[in-house]
Amino acid sequence: DAKTTQPTSMDCAEGRAANLPCNHSTISGNEYVYWYRQIHSQGPQYIIHGLKNNETNEMASLIITEDRKSSTLILPHATLRDTAVYYCIVRPNYGGSQGNLIFGKGTKLSVKP
Amino acid sequence: KAGVTQTPRYLIKTRGQQVTLSCSPISGHRSVSWYQQTPGQGLQFLFEYFSETQRNKGNFPGRFSGRQFSNSRSEMNVSTLELGDSALYLCASSEQADNEQFFGPGTRLTVL
Repeated sequence: DAKTTQPTSMDCAEGRAANLPCNHSTISGNEYVYWYRQIHSQGPQYIIHGLKNNETNEMASLIITEDRKSSTLILPHATLRDTAVYYCIVRPNYGGSQGNLIFGKGTKLSVKP
Repeated sequence: KAGVTQTPRYLIKTRGQQVTLSCSPISGHRSVSWYQQTPGQGLQFLFEYFSETQRNKGNFPGRFSGRQFSNSRSEMNVSTLELGDSALYLCASSEQADNEQFFGPGTRLTVL
């Protein structure tokens, strides 16, 4: 079973920041938080991942709380093309770890004009 | 680099038939994972291959099998197809098993 809890759906106005929360209260010390998104009928797209420090890349920022029990994915300036289902996943990240991702139901983000 | 490619993109089969799906990972990636996506069950892990060895397997019946070749390309096979096997089958590749995975566009299988 997925170890994360996300809201089922969220709306965001175009051009505004989209903040997507994720709870992972049972996360272990060696588990990373990964974010993927899936635009309708396409394969999931990797966004970002982190362990305990905040991370930023060209797509998004990831804010992880100090206790690591929750995180927030931030899309700084949402566009209509960011409308998708966003998945928050926790998985171990050490050499030889199993490669499978366990997807939950994710958050359907709708960006509106 | 070219992305993950999957062939065919669409497939229609009838119950009882078998099907083989193909996945070509990103050049240099040695790990290939397969997932099944259905409206009811969402995205579910099927199996993962690394350097031609199956390293991990999801909770699917033995009708689902796969293999990986020396060039890292992978195939998955489903025998004795059932209506419930209708799904989007996704392949993902990564450099190592524990890196971020990059997904292909999927193969849409319809079983009639």
